[in-house]
Parts: sequence; structure tokens; C-alpha cells
Amino acid sequence: EVVLTQSPGTLSLSPGEGATLSCRASQSVSSSYIAWYQQKPGQPPRLLIYAASSRATGIPDRFRGSGSGTYFTLTISRLEPEDFAVYYCQRFGSSFQYSFGQGTKLEIK
Amino acid sequence: QVQLVQSGAEVKKPGASVRLSCKTSGYTFTTYYIHWVRQAPGQGLQWMGIINPSGGSTNYAQNFQGRVTLTSDTSTTTVYMELTSLRSDDTAVFYCARGGYCSSTSCHPADAFDFWGQGTLVTVSS
Repeated sequence: EVVLTQSPGTLSLSPGEGATLSCRASQSVSSSYIAWYQQKPGQPPRLLIYAASSRATGIPDRFRGSGSGTYFTLTISRLEPEDFAVYYCQRFGSSFQYSFGQGTKLEIK
Repeated sequence: QVQLVQSGAEVKKPGASVRLSCKTSGYTFTTYYIHWVRQAPGQGLQWMGIINPSGGSTNYAQNFQGRVTLTSDTSTTTVYMELTSLRSDDTAVFYCARGGYCSSTSCHPADAFDFWGQGTLVTVSS
């Protein structure tokens, strides 16, 4: 089973700053099978990025996904107040294997 | 527009079962897979299982194998999740989510979850 480890656990930044969130896989993963989600309190997750670097419908271009192999990143430029939330990476693949990282909390400094 | 609307909150005693529903609309029900995801209070997301509403084939996470059953009703475009032998650590919000699809020639279950239900809180307490 592929285990996803996200870092840092918590990231404290100010609006206007940039954020880099990391997701490391325990073994190599096809970029096609990596997604990122944003979750705010009391809400379901929202798909931000699929196939490691493609933005989902309606996602602003300040969100950028990248990476390959075992290391993937979500970069958020010019943080807006509504960007402070918990972010999860996800891996899905053949044989009906789906897993999430433990999440990174992005909080206002 | 695509919508997944889940049933309301439940309170159950340990050892009981719960059956949750996920009513879908706004797309062809039999084209897309539906997943269920558990989120315990203050915790992360845990995948539980997947169903192909076209035919009803299922796959479950090992952690839930034997306790979870997913079913679908094409007449009402609704997916159901039953979880048995409830324990206190099953207290969580359960989400349904759409992810993966079938074309006329093949199926592609490995895909991101693009639409989610609002979640259903299940509280297990004696």
C-alpha cells in the first residue's frame, strides 16, 4: 500500500504570502493519480488539483500543483483569507487503491 | 448541476448498524463511480469503498471489509452505505463522493473525486 506523508503538519502564514505544501509517497506514483483537496471547517473537501498539476473547474490560478515520482507539491501564491484551510493530497490507482495524506493545516499567522 | 445529497445525522448504540443514503442528480447515474469516505472528529480522510452504479460491483478498503456494504438503486439514482457492528470509534462524518467513470467501451475507476456530498454525522454512543 502506498502511504502519503504530508508536510508540514501546520503552516502559519500571513495573507499575501506564498505557501508550499508537500506530499511524499512511500513509492513512486504516476502523476496521473495524484490529487489535492481543500477542506474548510464543516464543509466537505473540494477538489483543487488532479493529475498532479491540472486545476479543477473554477480553481484560481494562484493554486499550482507539481511533482513526480514520490514527491509532489501544492503551491499557493498570494494567499487570500479564504485559502486558510486544511489541504489533503490523495493517491488513487489500479486495483481500487485510494489513500489520503494526513493533511496540512494552513493557518493565519 | 451535479449534486450529491446525503441523509441526515444518526445516533446509534455500539453494535448496531447504520444505513446512509446519497441521492445523486445532474448527471448520468450509471456513468460515474461513487465512493464513501470517513472522517473522524478532528482527523483526516479515510477511504472506505467504491461502487459502480452500473451493475453494482463494489470494492472495499481492507479496514472496513466485512463491515461495510455499498448498494445502488438506479431507479432513484441513490447509493447506500451500510456499516455494521458499530463502535465508538466509528463516530465520524461520512461523505459520498463521485470519482471515476465508465465509457461505452471501458471503465476508469482511478480518478479524482470531483463532487462530494455534504456529509452525514454518525454518533455511536451508549
